[in-house]
This record gives sequence, C-alpha cells and structure tokens, in this order.
Amino acid sequence: DTEVTQTPKHLVMGMTNKKSLKCEQHMGHRAMYWYKQKAKKPPELMFVYSYEKLSINESVPSRFSPECPNSSLLNLHLHALQPEDSALYLCASRQVAGGYTFGSGTRLTVV
Amino acid sequence: GENVEQHPSTLSVQEGDSAVIKCTYSDSASNYFPWYKQELGKRPQLIIDIRSNVGEKKDQRIAVTLNKTAKHFSLHITETQPEDSAVYFCAASIGGLVFGTGTRLLVSP
Repeated sequence: DTEVTQTPKHLVMGMTNKKSLKCEQHMGHRAMYWYKQKAKKPPELMFVYSYEKLSINESVPSRFSPECPNSSLLNLHLHALQPEDSALYLCASRQVAGGYTFGSGTRLTVV
Repeated sequence: GENVEQHPSTLSVQEGDSAVIKCTYSDSASNYFPWYKQELGKRPQLIIDIRSNVGEKKDQRIAVTLNKTAKHFSLHITETQPEDSAVYFCAASIGGLVFGTGTRLLVSP
C-alpha cells in the first residue's frame, strides 16, 4: 500500500457542529502532516506529527485539534468552525528523509 | 521560519517551447526541494525533487537545478505540451514542507 487515504472526501458542516477528518497510511511513515489549502493558494502547513508526537503547530486556532492515535492514523477534530475555514484539507506522510506522499484531501465547506 | 518565493505567477508558452519557473528560499537549513503539479481540485502531484547535496537532476523533459549558495532553485520543462498546463508549486523542507506561491502554466497548442 503506497497511498495516504483521507476520509471523507467532502464534508459540509454548520458552525456549531463537531466533525473529524481522518487520514490513514500503511507505509510505515513516521511523520504525518496536516495542510490547509484555500482556492488559488498554496497549501499551508498546520501541524506536524513525528513518531506520534506533535512537533509543530503553526499557530493554528484551537478550533482545530489534531490527534495521532497510532503510527498509521491521523485525525483532525473540528469544532465551532467559521465559514472562512472552508478549504481543501490535505494530509501527507513522509519516511525519514524521504519524499512526501499526499492524500487526495477533504473538501470542507462550513455553512 | 522558512519563506519560499516563486516567480512568475503566470506563464504562457506555445506548445514545444520551454518553460522556466524560479524559486528562492530563506532558511539555509532546508535540505529537500520538491516540485509539485496541481490540477484543479486535485492533490499536489510530485513531478521532481532535489536534495541539497545535488546541483541538478533531470527526468525526461523535466529538470531541476539548485544553487545552495544563492538559495534558489529552478524548474525547467522542455518541449511543453498542452497537458503540462496546471499550477506548479515549488517547496522547501524543514520540519514540514513550505510551499511557494505557485505558477499557473498555460501551454497553448
């Protein structure tokens, strides 16, 4: 398995909802990442997990809460989001000093 | 933190021409420089990458050059084809990937 799988592919949520994005990889990669991409903009790094520990938080608002339950799984818990949080959320993984593998993303719409 | 600048923001060429996209980075500790092609609504797709101990790398019509002293790297696409039309991002890796602002490449038949 050489893929990063993200679910769901599309998500519409209200501003008072709680939802979670899921990312899974079975390549043995020990670094996993969350990126946010707005239309016509580059992906922006949100969080980095290294060996299941949060190593980088790029000053992301607390309404985004990452979790890494094990070496294969990465979640992003969403709560009280704003319409401006609507974006494509990309997950990626990387073996030490290797290339990055991106998932196909979750397109999130906050209404 | 790392900052990556990318130029030009748009590039229009005729089929068969060459295209060059340039990036500069700020953090000399960055050691991995990939290039991604992204089509509308899809994930970034790695097209070529280079590590800091290498000055040039080529894969068929695509080549990347890296000047560590000047902290800049470039993507070269030769014999462009309409299917090369997309947004291209450079990136530098330190901790995580930091992306450039993107170049919209349009190849006209």
